Amino acid sequence: QQPVQSPQAVILREGEDAVINCSSSKALYSVHWYRQKHGEAPVFLMILLKGGEQKGHEKISASFNEKKQQSSLYLTASQLSYSGTYFCGTSSTGNQFYFGTGTSLTVIP
Amino acid sequence: NAGVTQTPKFQVLKTGQSMTLQCAQDMNHNSMYWYRQDPGMGLRLIYYSASEGTTDKGEVPNGYNVSRLNKREFSLRLESAAPSQTSVYFCASSDFSNQPQHFGDGTRLSIL
Repeated sequence: QQPVQSPQAVILREGEDAVINCSSSKALYSVHWYRQKHGEAPVFLMILLKGGEQKGHEKISASFNEKKQQSSLYLTASQLSYSGTYFCGTSSTGNQFYFGTGTSLTVIP
Repeated sequence: NAGVTQTPKFQVLKTGQSMTLQCAQDMNHNSMYWYRQDPGMGLRLIYYSASEGTTDKGEVPNGYNVSRLNKREFSLRLESAAPSQTSVYFCASSDFSNQPQHFGDGTRLSIL
């Protein structure tokens, strides 16, 4: 039930782009994306619902391919503040959530 | 803006002791969740409450009980703590199920 995230870790220089993928073996109703900095609580980034369109704000966007049961998070022109661990959370029913093991993103100057 | 408040922030228990983790939210949210986070495992749902008066098991409910005391409060109880329950526990709330979840700062629990 736990979605699989890839890559597990990525290091970027400021200004570079990154893509984080989230894949599930179950049909999905929704995908959530969160970012967690070390020692802090996860913070919501965006939610994608079945039948919904690609979402985004500023330089972070995401897509949801229902047929492939996959979602991708796109970070463009990365900033130092983007560093952290990114988690996708998936749900087939809207209640039960399963989070991936996370992707560690480090942005260096 | 308090958001989601968890108490205590840190706790050390001995095997077999019991304790209750408290969670309260001031956003008038309907849904509340309890997760545990272990290194390399991500967040795993223990229990959730879709609305006041209802609770359901999540992915890893064994060894835990919950109470949705009212709309604001959702507590997690360990009846007989075991070392395997050493973890960071997060409470979260959302307006309704499948809406953005707002997390508390977590409770770091160690069981010796």
